[in-house]
Amino acid sequence: GIQVEQSPPDLILQEGANSTLRCNFSDSVNNLQWFHQNPWGQLINLFYIPSGTKQNGRLSATTVATERYSLLYISSSQTTDSGVYFCAVEMSTGGFKTIFGAGTRLFVKA
Amino acid sequence: EAGVTQFPSHSVIEKGQTVTLRCDPISGHDNLYWYRRVMGKEIKFLLHFVKESKQDESGMPNNRFLAERTGGTYSTLKVQPAELEDSGVYFCASSIQGFTGELFFGEGSRLTVL
Repeated sequence: GIQVEQSPPDLILQEGANSTLRCNFSDSVNNLQWFHQNPWGQLINLFYIPSGTKQNGRLSATTVATERYSLLYISSSQTTDSGVYFCAVEMSTGGFKTIFGAGTRLFVKA
Repeated sequence: EAGVTQFPSHSVIEKGQTVTLRCDPISGHDNLYWYRRVMGKEIKFLLHFVKESKQDESGMPNNRFLAERTGGTYSTLKVQPAELEDSGVYFCASSIQGFTGELFFGEGSRLTVL
């Protein structure tokens, strides 16, 4: 089946720093989403981005579908950005199953 | 517009007991999915409903798990009898389109089996 790999697995930032999270996937996909799981366990939609670039405030994402990767940029990080960031892809074949990566655990220090 | 709602938010039961989790999708979303995250591991797909029909249940771990979606509205996920390894967070998601559709997740139901 499709493999979804996220890097880095863990990341510690000083408040105000920038970071880039990466998601690689092994096969063609129909769509890709980025989620933030906050410390309370809620999964928050960040981006629905099968291709191209989108921006939302301090966050932006770029997916290059032909090269099978997506990047999530966090600028001027804040302590509230802490949590786990998941990349999830919907496979092109075998139904509409969405596969999650293992996540990047981010901790932003004050 | 209400989002995906799940109930209960947290359930603590003993091994061998039964638990039923409920999910109310966003109104108008025909597609409903169950996922779970066990022991801080990856979020794993369990099954997918299109309206009241099970489209894909390949992720259901065993026959102790039963999901239903009568009438194509809310869904329930029953675990009977619960085992220790069933502990985790069960997420429900819905989407308008099953194909290239954006998923919206509920807040999850945390299950603890003692």
